[in-house]
Amino acid sequence: NSKVIQTPRYLVKGQGQKAKMRCIPEKGHPVVFWYQQNKNNEFKFLINFQNQEVLQQIDMTEKRFSAECPSNSPCSLEIQSSEAGDSALYLCASSLSWTYEQYFGPGTRLTVL
Amino acid sequence: GEQVEQLPSILRVQEGSSASINCTYENSASNYFPWYKQEPGENPKLIIDIRSNMERKQTQGLIVLLDKKAKRFSLHITDTQPGDSAMYFCAASATGGYKVVFGSGTRLLVSP
Repeated sequence: NSKVIQTPRYLVKGQGQKAKMRCIPEKGHPVVFWYQQNKNNEFKFLINFQNQEVLQQIDMTEKRFSAECPSNSPCSLEIQSSEAGDSALYLCASSLSWTYEQYFGPGTRLTVL
Repeated sequence: GEQVEQLPSILRVQEGSSASINCTYENSASNYFPWYKQEPGENPKLIIDIRSNMERKQTQGLIVLLDKKAKRFSLHITDTQPGDSAMYFCAASATGGYKVVFGSGTRLLVSP
């Protein structure tokens, strides 16, 4: 069973507001991924980290999202100015490496009104 | 290219029959191919995976086949049960590639 913890489980924000969510990866996992899962259940990769360092992120994440994975603190993903299209399930996953099983957290469901 | 195409998007089968989901990938360096099952309201969970040094893997009613030449891999569920109804996702990644690319998902519906 996955021990990835995500908080909060539900988040409701107005357009233009900041939305911040957190993830505690499984102990010993140096690689952390963030995905956005839309209402059609499609995964959209946002950003990944290895040992606190950002390794890859998409354009959208570079411009409107900020994310970090400090040592000894939860990882976080923050949308600077929420838009209606950001409403989705945000999944955090951790892994030993890119070619090993990813363990997913329960997700944060964001609703932007 | 790093896309992973997954078909079909919806699959309806009768209980007891088999179900097959197919994925194709573009990155020839891909060497790890996991399959995840996501039940409604739940997070995705790994059900089976295969690495590029294998062509076939089987566990508990699940079979995965990998054809590296065709850049194709597939999941076969034998003797489906209503509890197999869920979303299934394939994925592909490469050592040092820093990315795991997911397919768009297949909704499997098993009717009694």
